[in-house]
Amino acid sequence: EAQVTQNPRYLITVTGKKLTVTCSQNMNHEYMSWYRQDPGLGLRQIYYSMNVEVTDKGDVPEGYKVSRKEKRNFPLILESPSPNQTSLYFCASSLTLNTEAFFGQGTRLTVV
Amino acid sequence: AQSVAQPEDQVNVAEGNPLTVKCTYSVSGNPYLFWYVQYPNRGLQFLLKYITGDNLVKGSYGFEAEFNKSQTSFHLKKPSALVSDSALYFCAVSSREGYQKVTFGTGTKLQVIP
Repeated sequence: EAQVTQNPRYLITVTGKKLTVTCSQNMNHEYMSWYRQDPGLGLRQIYYSMNVEVTDKGDVPEGYKVSRKEKRNFPLILESPSPNQTSLYFCASSLTLNTEAFFGQGTRLTVV
Repeated sequence: AQSVAQPEDQVNVAEGNPLTVKCTYSVSGNPYLFWYVQYPNRGLQFLLKYITGDNLVKGSYGFEAEFNKSQTSFHLKKPSALVSDSALYFCAVSSREGYQKVTFGTGTKLQVIP
């Protein structure tokens, strides 16, 4: 089954404790993204990757890191989480920029 | 910078009536336009897209959208709403030229009233 898998689904952590949210797709897609969803703000792109070892900043990259060492995986790293990073996070993948994106189920992150 | 505006936070429509969810965009060059739907506690699902060609695009579940270049709009429509269409709808834009970013609107909650 074609899918994007994110883990964990729920996470509560403390300020400053490094964390990684994993994302994996099984469709051989080139384009992968991370978004955060906040009430009233919609989805905002954090980082995107056009292919292995090619990543670039989206609209809200501050406080986040990503890497794309393999085509299927695109982890999101919060080196020092802060409460303003409490949000619902989605990973998405698509074959290219102009094809439909497949979204993961989301990760609800709470930073206290 | 590219942007998407969804001017209505919520749209209410009676079951069986036609529905429209509005979207306008701003982008450099030629746009790629998308509509996605989000049901509660779920990820987003693709509905339809405009890349090039016919301005009227048909998608999943009976939805369609019309690309209007002069008005920079891409409104989502359906001739007859179902209660099961109640969900959160997002418009998104990217561009063939420049950065490979994707920009989403703030979302419109569609409520179909039985």
